[in-house]
Amino acid sequence: NAGVMQNPRHLVRRRGQEARLRCSPMKGHSHVYWYRQLPEEGLKFMVYLQKENIIDESGMPKERFSAEFPKEGPSILRIQQVVRGDSAAYFCASSRDSTYEQYFGPGTRLTVT
Amino acid sequence: EDQVTQSPEALRLQEGESSSLNCSYTVSGLRGLFWYRQDPGKGPEFLFTLYSAGEEKEKERLKATLTKKESFLHITAPKPEDSATYLCAVKSGGSYIPTFGRGTSLIVHP
Repeated sequence: NAGVMQNPRHLVRRRGQEARLRCSPMKGHSHVYWYRQLPEEGLKFMVYLQKENIIDESGMPKERFSAEFPKEGPSILRIQQVVRGDSAAYFCASSRDSTYEQYFGPGTRLTVT
Repeated sequence: EDQVTQSPEALRLQEGESSSLNCSYTVSGLRGLFWYRQDPGKGPEFLFTLYSAGEEKEKERLKATLTKKESFLHITAPKPEDSATYLCAVKSGGSYIPTFGRGTSLIVHP
């Protein structure tokens, strides 16, 4: 059974460029969550999506950040005009539904130069 | 607002020296308490879910317990490969989203 897959694993962007992070949930999971983790800090929730719907985006900055989970294909977290403060590890998790535990992917480490 | 506090922040043990990690929580209507293990440079790995006070779950050298205010992760006779950060998270009745603690960094020396 394939787990949660994320790509790329490492992404380097210059200030002002766009970053696209992809997440494929576990088989049978239709709920996707994105988190950000900074060194020495905990996991910070960003956005919760189901297929074609954003359920909760309360943790996502209003500007430059967007997320989608289309009917076909992976979920995508998009960061426009990246700044150095966006450098972090971004994790995707999936679950069978909102009551069950979440399973995490290996993360994408974004570095903004 | 749900709150999760983990202690200690860091713990160093000798191989074979049993100990416990603490997760104190404040929620309105606990829907689940989750333990994860995270190795450096990797995503959190799911360990346990506990739903009600008195519940216990075990996996190899790990045992998780739950009361109305806190959870413990007991590590019996740890080995160096148990070294990792252990994360606790809670989900309340009013939210889809778990609240994570900052974790306990465990190092087990051979």
